[in-house]
Amino acid sequence: AQKVTQAQTEISVVEKEDVTLDCVYETRDTTYYLFWYKQPPSGELVFLIRRNSFDEQNEISGRYSWNFQKSTSSFNFTITASQVVDSAVYFCALSVGGNMLTFGGGTRLMVKP
Amino acid sequence: DTGVSQNPRHKITKRGQNVTFRCDPISEHNRLYWYRQTLGQGPEFLTYFQNEAQLEKSRLLSDRFSAERPKGSFSTLEIQRTEQGDSAMYLCASSLGLGQGAITDTQYFGPGTRLTVL
Repeated sequence: AQKVTQAQTEISVVEKEDVTLDCVYETRDTTYYLFWYKQPPSGELVFLIRRNSFDEQNEISGRYSWNFQKSTSSFNFTITASQVVDSAVYFCALSVGGNMLTFGGGTRLMVKP
Repeated sequence: DTGVSQNPRHKITKRGQNVTFRCDPISEHNRLYWYRQTLGQGPEFLTYFQNEAQLEKSRLLSDRFSAERPKGSFSTLEIQRTEQGDSAMYLCASSLGLGQGAITDTQYFGPGTRLTVL
């Protein structure tokens, strides 16, 4: 069975601060995919990134960066210089075998002006 | 490029009534997924289709739930004899599957249907 844990249920920061959202996963499979999705107040899940288990390179996309460490089963997400528009619920998810996603409980990020 | 669409966006019903939701995936996507999300929780997998074949169902999908994808295009999710515990957001996603057992493709989500059972 797969499991994703997002220990931070809610984070509050002031605009321009950096913030890191933690994600820890569990699986016995050696081939798997990890994802981050953003859910703004409108409710629609927006895809941010996909990473496969064989690629541990960190990735940067603008103000977003992701740190994948198989040794600690973690896939953390950092927002640099946060903005009010980053306020949302962020979900980490795991997929094995190419079908269903197993989501974590989500982290609610509030960025205050 | 049209994304995943879902109808209706909101549904309020009385306990015991039947409801049906529709999902239209991205046109070239052959995989379609249903998830349920309750307040303050992450989405939970319900079922998925590869073209018109329903390949996997979660144990969350009780006998009162049925999903179809008759021509491999849109899908419907029906809940019979609704209960208050069915109140949730029902999310649909689609992906460009490369075949059974192939590598994961990214799932793109629709806006969801929010069900309230009174």
